[in-house]
Amino acid sequence: RKEVEQDPGPFNVPEGATVAFNCTYSNSASQSFFWYRQDCRKEPKLLMSVYSSGNEDGRFTAQLNRASQYISLLIRDSKLSDSATYLCVVRTGGFKTIFGAGTRLFVKA
Amino acid sequence: DTAVSQTPKYLVTQMGNDKSIKCEQNLGHDTMYWYKQDSKKFLKIMFSYNNKELIINETVPNRFSPKSPDKAHLNLHINSLELGDSAVYFCASGRPTDTQYFGPGTRLTVL
Repeated sequence: RKEVEQDPGPFNVPEGATVAFNCTYSNSASQSFFWYRQDCRKEPKLLMSVYSSGNEDGRFTAQLNRASQYISLLIRDSKLSDSATYLCVVRTGGFKTIFGAGTRLFVKA
Repeated sequence: DTAVSQTPKYLVTQMGNDKSIKCEQNLGHDTMYWYKQDSKKFLKIMFSYNNKELIINETVPNRFSPKSPDKAHLNLHINSLELGDSAVYFCASGRPTDTQYFGPGTRLTVL
């Protein structure tokens, strides 16, 4: 079993759609959780951290379920510019960072 | 100002050569990392340095030797390059439990 697993995608959605990505992690001792975004041929960039209580940033909502070891990202009112690969990231014990394989999103007009 | 910079951006070389990639961060972070992203786009940590000391070495061949002359720099030297080393290498910096900031990547092609 991979340490961090994500929906394989790709997700093809029309503009304005709501799309949800899921991620599971295997190490119950994981401490920090993030969603990163990576555009084609670019470096990953932080989209948002994920907190136990859930958090929202504009059209983006992240949820964490520690009991199920599950993280989600919800994007509302998708824009063309949201097309990218979304990476689920889990940090365990400070220095070890594990990236999921990523989920590709294509938003079409 | 660029937060994390890498040079070169592109590197094309022959098998068996030795090459280096440089990384610098001006964010004042104590921790720096090297990642490899292969053709399947899977991003995997290679090394982590904290205060110039090696913290993580994720079963990377010893042909890869990171060097941290100071907290702001983490360079990656690769000996005897192989075809399978072709990938994008990303440097990153951050605090241990916080966000990591990535450099623009170095696209290495081994012929």
